[in-house]
Amino acid sequence: GAGVSQSPRYKVAKRGQDVALRCDPISGHVSLFWYQQALGQGPEFLTYFQNEAQLDKSGLPSDRFFAERPEGSVSTLKIQRTQQEDSAVYLCASSPGVDYGYTFGSGTRLTVV
Amino acid sequence: QKEVEQNSGPLSVPEGAIASLNCTYSDRVSQSFFWYRQYSGKSPELIMSIYSNGDKEDGRFTAQLNKASQYVSLLIRDSQPSDSATYLCAVDAQAGTALIFGKGTTLSVSS
Repeated sequence: GAGVSQSPRYKVAKRGQDVALRCDPISGHVSLFWYQQALGQGPEFLTYFQNEAQLDKSGLPSDRFFAERPEGSVSTLKIQRTQQEDSAVYLCASSPGVDYGYTFGSGTRLTVV
Repeated sequence: QKEVEQNSGPLSVPEGAIASLNCTYSDRVSQSFFWYRQYSGKSPELIMSIYSNGDKEDGRFTAQLNKASQYVSLLIRDSQPSDSATYLCAVDAQAGTALIFGKGTTLSVSS
């Protein structure tokens, strides 16, 4: 596609609910990244894929967070048993390779109530 | 803990002036450096990349890198009100790893 597409744009979840956030990267981009951005802060790294391989998941804050990219294209970030502190904007980015600049999607704003 | 530090601002400049944004980073092995612009409520947009010491110019933007001093800066010439945004500095922790972002500097350009 022309850009990085994320869905849903907004998500309100009740505490304890599971959520799934989708990212469709630019066609042909092998690298895909997930970041979490709290209000007034810079993006915080969560995890990184090269094709279907998850090369770094050191930023995932707990075992409630899980990401996958099974066919090396679309990726899903899943958060189980959501907590209020999970409320943030979740940004997906893709690039032709890890040392290139990233193109970000519009993000998913998650609000846990 | 690898860190990227930016002054949060706000940095206020009049229209037509030069805005200077600075960033320091902690990891000496960092190789790739980027500046992103983020408007309120929008996602970050890549505006400059720099990989070698010295200056790199693109239109009204100039990125400057000094690896010995571990700082990277962004100059915006002839600042416009439309440049008002948060500017994020991003650095790779080491080659082949994901970018680490600073918290951003908010720039306000008054007409």
